[in-house]
Amino acid sequence: DAKTTQPTSMDCAEGRAANLPCNHSTISGNEYVYWYRQIHSQGPQYIIHGLKNNETNEMASLIITEDRKSSTLILPHATLRDTAVYYCIVISNFGNEKLTFGTGTRLTIIP
Amino acid sequence: EAGVTQFPSHSVIEKGQTVTLRCDPISGHDNLYWYRRVMGKEIKFLLHFVKESKQDESGMPNNRFLAERTGGTYSTLKVQPAELEDSGVYFCASTYGPTDTQYFGPGTRLTVL
Repeated sequence: DAKTTQPTSMDCAEGRAANLPCNHSTISGNEYVYWYRQIHSQGPQYIIHGLKNNETNEMASLIITEDRKSSTLILPHATLRDTAVYYCIVISNFGNEKLTFGTGTRLTIIP
Repeated sequence: EAGVTQFPSHSVIEKGQTVTLRCDPISGHDNLYWYRRVMGKEIKFLLHFVKESKQDESGMPNNRFLAERTGGTYSTLKVQPAELEDSGVYFCASTYGPTDTQYFGPGTRLTVL
């Protein structure tokens, strides 16, 4: 699976959009970009995923560059409950793939 | 629909004792994964079941760890004998099909004294 690079930490003001970048320059054509987050010591929570088109759901939006070498997770109106570690994971669509979490980005929402 | 559940939520044992963790996947999910995070480290894959068969157990740290999924429903992860370095949080995830999103349980925090 392709390796991902994320900033170690970020701050965002409450109510503003949080934009979390991820670099995955070695991604291959059959690999999806997944985002999970872990709030404190809870289990990882699925947020969103995409292949090459931008995606939006009730939690977030995912913007993938045309060359697919990077992506941005957008939380449109961050709240204090969005404080968590966010993981960008690249995984193939062949199935039965284990997730490689990395160190993620620690996002802190500032009141 | 109930999510992935894990039991117990916390376990504190002495070094050398045995502990069994349980994971109940989402009903109907054939694929079940175990992961763990030890103190200060990243979340790491342990193994993957498809129904009752072990599909990939490349992440199991050593032979003190035994995972089972008899009947293809819930799974257990037994650590025998437990060592100090086994302390951490053990997570379970499940999916219906092999290419579906993995949904995680709340984890079991294991402390070995």
